[in-house]
Amino acid sequence: DTGVSQNPRHKITKRGQNVTFRCDPISEHNRLYWYRQTLGQGPEFLTYFQNEAQLEKSRLLSDRFSAERPKGSFSTLEIQRTEQGDSAMYLCASSSSTGRETQYFGPGTRLLVL
Amino acid sequence: EDQVTQSPEALRLQEGESSSLNCSYTVSGLRGLFWYRQDPGKGPEFLFTLYSAGEEKEKERLKATLTKKESFLHITAPKPEDSATYLCAVPPSGSARQLTFGSGTQLTVLP
Repeated sequence: DTGVSQNPRHKITKRGQNVTFRCDPISEHNRLYWYRQTLGQGPEFLTYFQNEAQLEKSRLLSDRFSAERPKGSFSTLEIQRTEQGDSAMYLCASSSSTGRETQYFGPGTRLLVL
Repeated sequence: EDQVTQSPEALRLQEGESSSLNCSYTVSGLRGLFWYRQDPGKGPEFLFTLYSAGEEKEKERLKATLTKKESFLHITAPKPEDSATYLCAVPPSGSARQLTFGSGTQLTVLP
């Protein structure tokens, strides 16, 4: 069990640039989630995939955010025209549709928008 | 509106000094309450899931309990390595998959 991996671990960008993050879930997990976490707060849900289908999206996910999971394995989260308010930790989690569906989190990607 | 509230926001304990963290929730039809531990700069690490009032789970120095309105995470004789932020989360009403998290309790255990 290699766990959930995320790349890059850190990203510094200038306002207005586009950024893309990648998440590789635990291999047998068919559900994948993206969350955003700011300092002193708990993670906030962004979106959820079952296999390649995006089934839930938060109102936090503005038009500048897009997520994909093209083959039901890894996922990407893209932020276009970044703003300083996008600075946060972006967390990915995965779970199995069998059993208790516990979500296991990756180490996160910390984004800083200058 | 679904809410998850954790208290205290921060807690400092001496090594060996037992205490409890609280997580209160308002959600229709609880479908599980999850406890996670988060170290600085890392992702949350799963600890426990509780599904029904009266249920208890234990792991080393940690014990989680659940009532109809809140959950407690009891820490017995903590050690400095137990220092972390402890988060609780519930699936919100109307969603079976996402989690709504509290803001966490930042625990510091002093040697």
